[in-house]
Amino acid sequence: AQSVSQHNHHVILSEAASLELGCNYSYGGTVNLFWYVQYPGQHLQLLLKYFSGDPLVKGIKGFEAEFIKSKFSFNLRKPSVQWSDTAEYFCAVSGNTGFQKLVFGTGTRLLVSP
Amino acid sequence: NAGVTQTPKFRVLKTGQSMTLLCAQDMNHEYMYWYRQDPGMGLRLIHYSVGEGTTAKGEVPDGYNVSRLKKQNFLLGLESAAPSQTSVYFCATRDKHNEQFFGPGTRLTVL
Repeated sequence: AQSVSQHNHHVILSEAASLELGCNYSYGGTVNLFWYVQYPGQHLQLLLKYFSGDPLVKGIKGFEAEFIKSKFSFNLRKPSVQWSDTAEYFCAVSGNTGFQKLVFGTGTRLLVSP
Repeated sequence: NAGVTQTPKFRVLKTGQSMTLLCAQDMNHEYMYWYRQDPGMGLRLIHYSVGEGTTAKGEVPDGYNVSRLKKQNFLLGLESAAPSQTSVYFCATRDKHNEQFFGPGTRLTVL
């Protein structure tokens, strides 16, 4: 069965610090990978996605993620966080054939202090 | 375009009451989903639909029913609400590129 593990449940950073959020997945096939962000009181928005090709993908607001197939990982990074990045971040995985159910990790709450 | 909309935004029910949550989309997507979001558990799939007139169970379907009579609407019903169904409910659609688009959510409290 598919599963997604996000190692950090809560992360607290100061502005301008670098960010890396871990995501590991379990899936027996070719995967599509996603990072979603949920700002306080809002719905989920797509940050970035990986389907194929260059394993380093760039998303909105300066975020990027690297797909490392051998490690089953898709970690999210940002070189310098801002207060406005305070949000909850969800990693998700789906297959790329058939129904393609999206399985979410439990999320990481990021608090950026000014 | 409104994208994905949900009504109501908030609701408080007593145990045993029933209600229906409405999800509407104007993106002409075939796939629609209902998730619930609970602290520390991420999003879990309740039911989904791959097209008008079809529905299927997700991870946590017990206590919920759904209908997709029209392509643009996906209804989630609770026949007899229980406190364990207190949650935030999100509807989503999926485009042909496998990207999901989420509605603003419905916060439901069952007393």
